[in-house]
Amino acid sequence: GAVVSQHPSWVICKSGTSVKIECRSLDFQATTMFWYRQFPKQSLMLMATSNEGSKATYEQGVEKDKFLINHASLTLSTLTVTSAHPEDSSFYICSARDLGQGLYNEQFFGPGTRLTVL
Amino acid sequence: QQPVQSPQAVILREGEDAVINCSSSKALYSVHWYRQKHGEAPVFLMILLKGGEQKGHEKISASFNEKKQQSSLYLTASQLSYSGTYFCGTPTPYTGNQFYFGTGTSLTVIP
Repeated sequence: GAVVSQHPSWVICKSGTSVKIECRSLDFQATTMFWYRQFPKQSLMLMATSNEGSKATYEQGVEKDKFLINHASLTLSTLTVTSAHPEDSSFYICSARDLGQGLYNEQFFGPGTRLTVL
Repeated sequence: QQPVQSPQAVILREGEDAVINCSSSKALYSVHWYRQKHGEAPVFLMILLKGGEQKGHEKISASFNEKKQQSSLYLTASQLSYSGTYFCGTPTPYTGNQFYFGTGTSLTVIP
């Protein structure tokens, strides 16, 4: 099956610093990647949809200037959490949709990044 | 936009069956089902498409009622490995530019 990698798998940073998370589709091209955030014992909440070569579409309530998303190629999307604060601590997961599949087909998930802001 | 799942939590003994329901206030064109273990990414189980097409694992079954905007996941003869949190999810119609997960159902299978 298709593989999506995510890096780093965990990160601890000080309040006020920025953290970059990479999401790569390893064996397929992904025109669309999704970024989710999950707090303990809660569902995955969509933060933004990233389309290659265009600006990301953010969900209501998600700060564009704080969560910077770049989808520079068909295999790489990055999420940068700028000026991170303890309330940004969460599990961040990306997923990708295969260019060759239909809109309603399976997404492939990265393993997630555990962010802890001290 | 988020689909609502029921029940929120269920505890089963090995071998018992369970049904997890997913209901949406919006029109559904496809429903995806995933299982997530603690601290891990969701694992794909099944997709149900409008018109009756299904894609997924042989040992899992599900139904999709387009008119009622509901889907149900059927877990039969449960095993310990079935434990986890189950999520339904659905893409926005036409563009599929957003994907929303349901509220989740925690399933625990005990010996």
